[in-house]
Amino acid sequence: EAGVAQSPRYKIIEKRQSVAFWCNPISGHATLYWYQQILGQGPKLLIQFQNNGVVDDSQLPKDRFSAERLKGVDSTLKIQPAKLEDSAVYLCASSLQNSPLHFGNGTRLTVT
Amino acid sequence: AQSVTQLDSQVPVFEEAPVELRCNYSSSVSVYLFWYVQYPNQGLQLLLKYLSGSTLVESINGFEAEFNKSQTSFHLRKPSVHISDTAEYFCAVSDNNDMRFGAGTRLTVKP
Repeated sequence: EAGVAQSPRYKIIEKRQSVAFWCNPISGHATLYWYQQILGQGPKLLIQFQNNGVVDDSQLPKDRFSAERLKGVDSTLKIQPAKLEDSAVYLCASSLQNSPLHFGNGTRLTVT
Repeated sequence: AQSVTQLDSQVPVFEEAPVELRCNYSSSVSVYLFWYVQYPNQGLQLLLKYLSGSTLVESINGFEAEFNKSQTSFHLRKPSVHISDTAEYFCAVSDNNDMRFGAGTRLTVKP
């Protein structure tokens, strides 16, 4: 089966600019996650979708981060405006109910 | 919400030596437990999981982990490591709502 697809693979922006990441989960996976992995740390959950509804966005900095999953398939994560501390790898994952997560290769964001 | 603690940030070992990577969790409900591995310049991959049944679970490359409910632990072990096992290992816990990860343990296997 095809894995979780993410794009772009790398992105470099200046602070205060905006950026968007895209994720296409594994077909049939109702649950989709966005994680932020800062260098040297474990992945931190930003937002979790069940189909097109938000299950958990308690750790999403909502003043600058937003995410949507229209039609319950693809998802986009946006940062506007970006800060230096947003430099990280942004991981998308998908899963079936009560099943392990399947991760994409991530988008490495560098904010200068 | 649940949380995960990985007690060792770095574990250097020599090739063919045994290794244990420690993981403790906290949760007020029943949980599922996972170990993920991240090889250099690659994405996260599932190594093994505990969902129910036998508390000892194994991976295809010789790792095993044991779920200990009384000690709230899920330590990862391998009796003899290879150079190719060098990677970052993440313990994760899910309470059926979301999945939380530990900070990771960097395993470095030296010749």
